[in-house]
Amino acid sequence: ILNVEQSPQSLHVQEGDSTNFTCSFPSSNFYALHWYRWETAKSPEALFVMTLNGDEKKKGRISATLNTKEGYSYLYIKGSQPEDSATYLCACTLGGYQKVTFGTGTKLQVIP
Amino acid sequence: DTAVSQTPKYLVTQMGNDKSIKCEQNLGHDTMYWYKQDSKKFLKIMFSYNNKELIINETVPNRFSPKSPDKAHLNLHINSLELGDSAVYFCASSQETGVGVNVLTFGAGSRLTVL
Repeated sequence: ILNVEQSPQSLHVQEGDSTNFTCSFPSSNFYALHWYRWETAKSPEALFVMTLNGDEKKKGRISATLNTKEGYSYLYIKGSQPEDSATYLCACTLGGYQKVTFGTGTKLQVIP
Repeated sequence: DTAVSQTPKYLVTQMGNDKSIKCEQNLGHDTMYWYKQDSKKFLKIMFSYNNKELIINETVPNRFSPKSPDKAHLNLHINSLELGDSAVYFCASSQETGVGVNVLTFGAGSRLTVL
């Protein structure tokens, strides 16, 4: 993998369902993995940053895991709510410390 | 309020003109960035400055010239605007809190439309 890739590109879930999506990244020259939440007409806002293999972070109903050896991270949302509707961006610091490379995002729509 | 602020929020101009977008952060961060959001909503890094020094220049046409008069400001000047420059440009800043750990704080974006 040469770039930061996210899947799926978009998904629709019913309110109350749990969901998850994936971020894949190059496992060499890896420093950090970030998740951002980007609501329509707003700016991306940081959710989590993880650096170590096996890291897990949680904020309310949202959690994330990191596997640096195989180069992937999962973001989980438990009991999705309409206000969770947003694009979720994964970003990696690869190589140079300040080069933060974004994936294309997963657009989540939670249907009431 | 502490924030990353960029102006203008909207900019409509003719092809061939020169325009600037300004960015200021009062978070005390050392690093500032310009990202371009393309038509597919993808955020692509253009430039990064650390303490006024250019550290990343991602094969951006030289019609784009960033300027950082101090570490709190990073302006983007674009010469001879082309239709393909139409996009939303996001400024961001960060402070390294660990090795390679730079969590970005974004501005609200500047939507540039070239006619």
